[in-house]
Amino acid sequence: AQSVTQPDIHITVSEGASLELRCNYSYGATPYLFWYVQSPGQGLQLLLKYFSGDTLVQGIKGFEAEFKRSQSSFNLRKPSVHWSDAAEYFCAVGAFNRGSTLGRLYFGRGTQLTVWP
Amino acid sequence: ETGVTQSPTHLIKTRGQQVTLRCSSQSGHNTVSWYQQALGQGPQFIFQYYREEENGRGNFPPRFSGLQFPNYSSELNVNALELDDSALYLCASSLPSGTNEQFFGPGTRLTVL
Repeated sequence: AQSVTQPDIHITVSEGASLELRCNYSYGATPYLFWYVQSPGQGLQLLLKYFSGDTLVQGIKGFEAEFKRSQSSFNLRKPSVHWSDAAEYFCAVGAFNRGSTLGRLYFGRGTQLTVWP
Repeated sequence: ETGVTQSPTHLIKTRGQQVTLRCSSQSGHNTVSWYQQALGQGPQFIFQYYREEENGRGNFPPRFSGLQFPNYSSELNVNALELDDSALYLCASSLPSGTNEQFFGPGTRLTVL
């Protein structure tokens, strides 16, 4: 069965420090992987996605993620965190349905990021 | 280009009532998906509509139903509301291609008293 695990519920970092948010997935085929960010009272904004090819993907706002098939992981990283990065971050795996459209997304429970000034 | 919009923003209902939430998809997108996000949880897939037909459904009871209209906008209807239906309901639109991501609206916050 498909699932996503984000083992860290809450992470606190100082502004300017590096960041790594962990994501592990379970999926029977080649996964389509995503990281979304959600600010309070807002919808989800896509940070980056992995479909195939280079396992290190670059996203918006200086984020990157690395797909490691052997570890079933897709960790999100940022070399220097800004106060505006404080938000909730969701990892998701995409599963296709019969019509070969991008069907459902399976989300992790999220990691809340707090940034200290 | 107009993004995904949802209405209303907030809604308060009582147990047993019925509610309709609305979503307008991003321009050119003909696939709409609905998710329920309970407090402190990740979004859970309710169902997806493609060309006005249900195209996949998550583990939600039949009292959760939907519609998609010819202009690709969509409605989520929930009958016989329960307290546990209190959540943020997110709509996402996409193109029917395996490499296109889902674009999310701001959500509707439903509170059931």
